[in-house]
Amino acid sequence: NAGVTQTPKFQVLKTGQSMTLQCAQDMNHNSMYWYRQDPGMGLRLIYYSASEGTTDKGEVPNGYNVSRLNKREFSLRLESAAPSQTSVYFCASRRYGYTFGSGTRLTVV
Amino acid sequence: DAKTTQPPSMDCAEGRAANLPCNHSTISGNEYVYWYRQIHSQGPQYIIHGLKNNETNEMASLIITEDRKSSTLILPHATLRDTAVYYCIVRVALNYGGSQGNLIFGKGTKLSVKP
Repeated sequence: NAGVTQTPKFQVLKTGQSMTLQCAQDMNHNSMYWYRQDPGMGLRLIYYSASEGTTDKGEVPNGYNVSRLNKREFSLRLESAAPSQTSVYFCASRRYGYTFGSGTRLTVV
Repeated sequence: DAKTTQPPSMDCAEGRAANLPCNHSTISGNEYVYWYRQIHSQGPQYIIHGLKNNETNEMASLIITEDRKSSTLILPHATLRDTAVYYCIVRVALNYGGSQGNLIFGKGTKLSVKP
């Protein structure tokens, strides 16, 4: 089925560890996004990529880096995880409307 | 960016219509009203959008006031599976390039459909 695929679905990290969240879409969309969602909150934009080869900061970029590897893939990297980065992370892509992945639930202890 | 105001929570009886209000008094002429919902921490799901005319699709109806300062999302026959957080978002057309097409989420309305 066409859509946005995120991996992993769950992850537990120790403070200071690094990891990369993967996102891929097969809809040939130009724009891709990474959001985080904390309990009881709406989604907040971390980074986005308007097209292949470009990335821009969103509302809460500190502590994260991104790579738009190609048109399909947009990864989010935590270089040194902190407990404040415990959250649910959603990747999305869009052309005329947004399609979201099912999320990655990350816990940093 | 136009901001939206939604009630934090609402209840609805199963089988009845759910009417979710949204105020957006500072909406600009080129901004659309979008509705998304998020079921139990899944990724948000598109429901409907409109500019100034009322819209209807297989999921819902969107009623926008003539002055465009408020709107109502209507789920005509709510089911238990419609229990979710509903987000009303005002943005330019989402096919705009750059940051103009970025969705900005508030806290939404938590709709609880009860048997």
